Amino acid sequence: TQLLEQSPQFLSIQEGENLTVYCNSSSVFSSLQWYRQEPGEGPVLLVTVVTGGEVKKLKRLTFQFGDARKDSSLHITAAQPGDTGLYLCAGGGSSYKLIFGSGTRLLVRP
Amino acid sequence: GAVVSQHPSWVICKSGTSVKIECRSLDFQATTMFWYRQFPKQSLMLMATSNEGSKATYEQGVEKDKFLINHASLTLSTLTVTSAHPEDSSFYICSATTATTDTQYFGPGTRLTVL
Repeated sequence: TQLLEQSPQFLSIQEGENLTVYCNSSSVFSSLQWYRQEPGEGPVLLVTVVTGGEVKKLKRLTFQFGDARKDSSLHITAAQPGDTGLYLCAGGGSSYKLIFGSGTRLLVRP
Repeated sequence: GAVVSQHPSWVICKSGTSVKIECRSLDFQATTMFWYRQFPKQSLMLMATSNEGSKATYEQGVEKDKFLINHASLTLSTLTVTSAHPEDSSFYICSATTATTDTQYFGPGTRLTVL
């Protein structure tokens, strides 16, 4: 069974601080996606990484896919209250199915 | 583009009744749709994979007779929760993919409360 563990589970920080969320697995994935979800809404895709070692930047967000394609990280620089939400990583395989991580709930205090 | 809608957005029903949730791809043809369930403060759990014109494939532990899935067209999949009970109360989310990409486009979710 493929599992994706995210850490930390919950993070409460002050506006302006930096943070990193980790997504780890013992399994290899063909792609790794990061989503952000707000209460009562569906997840919104932030980025997809497919190549081992790949780094993608989206404004203040930096995503990295591990060399072995088993882990990924999301780094947010100078967090803002608008970044508050549930961050989910999801691993993709050959069957188009996604395995979602356990989630990281982020609260950015003004 | 790639918009997925769900209807209803929320529903409250009595225990023992059945509830149907619709998932539509508004501007693309969805060869595959997925149904997820999400409990409060938890991640998404895949319930089943639905391909147009064929029977859905259910994940281990998901009762196919309780959660009926129909994917009758390339733009519509329905999930019917039969004989609903309070423990079925949850947030149900669908997603859809096309034949050319494995990116899943998610709907806004349906909150089901069974009294």
